Amino acid sequence: QKEVEQNSGPLSVPEGAIASLNCTYSDRGSQSFFWYRQYSGKSPELIMSIYSNGDKEDGRFTAQLNKASQYVSLLIRDSQPSDSATYLCAVNNPGGSARQLTFGSGTQLTVLP
Amino acid sequence: DAEITQSPRHKIIETGRQVTLACHQTWNHNNMFWYRQDLGHGLRLIHYSYGVHDTNKGEVSDGYSVSRSNTEDLPLTLESAASSQTSVYFCASSEAPMGYGYTFGSGTRLTVV
Repeated sequence: QKEVEQNSGPLSVPEGAIASLNCTYSDRGSQSFFWYRQYSGKSPELIMSIYSNGDKEDGRFTAQLNKASQYVSLLIRDSQPSDSATYLCAVNNPGGSARQLTFGSGTQLTVLP
Repeated sequence: DAEITQSPRHKIIETGRQVTLACHQTWNHNNMFWYRQDLGHGLRLIHYSYGVHDTNKGEVSDGYSVSRSNTEDLPLTLESAASSQTSVYFCASSEAPMGYGYTFGSGTRLTVV
């Protein structure tokens, strides 16, 4: 079983819709959770971090964390074509090393004009 | 401004040759990481370092080595390149302890022919 799994995608949504990206993780000791956005041919860029159960909002982005269910999600409201990218979920503490991150394989999002 | 730079951006080498990929950061981060990114596998950890003279193997370390002689640099060496090492390589750094996620370099696309 992979330590961090994301919905495989690709995911297409119309402009203005809500895009929902999901991630599950296996290590109950994980404490830090991140979402990265990666445009084609570019490096990953950190867009959200979350550490506590509940929701965290930043502009059009909302990260949701449920540690009991070992589930992290990213909602993108009012999706724009510029949001088209691959979104990577990352979780710390694989095997007890708090400073390492394990990444999911990513979900490719396309926002259709 | 602080940054993390990788060089070269692109490299083509012959099978069996040795090559070193450079990573230099001016964030003064103690933690540095090397990942490779391949279709279907996401980002996989090759080696990492938590400080000067500290190096550790990641999940895909065979055929790679690193050294850390100062805070700023973590070069990645492929001792005898193989076609299976054709990939995009990303260097990243982070604060210690982990809390802010990684900052990634722009990547090196390596092709082994």
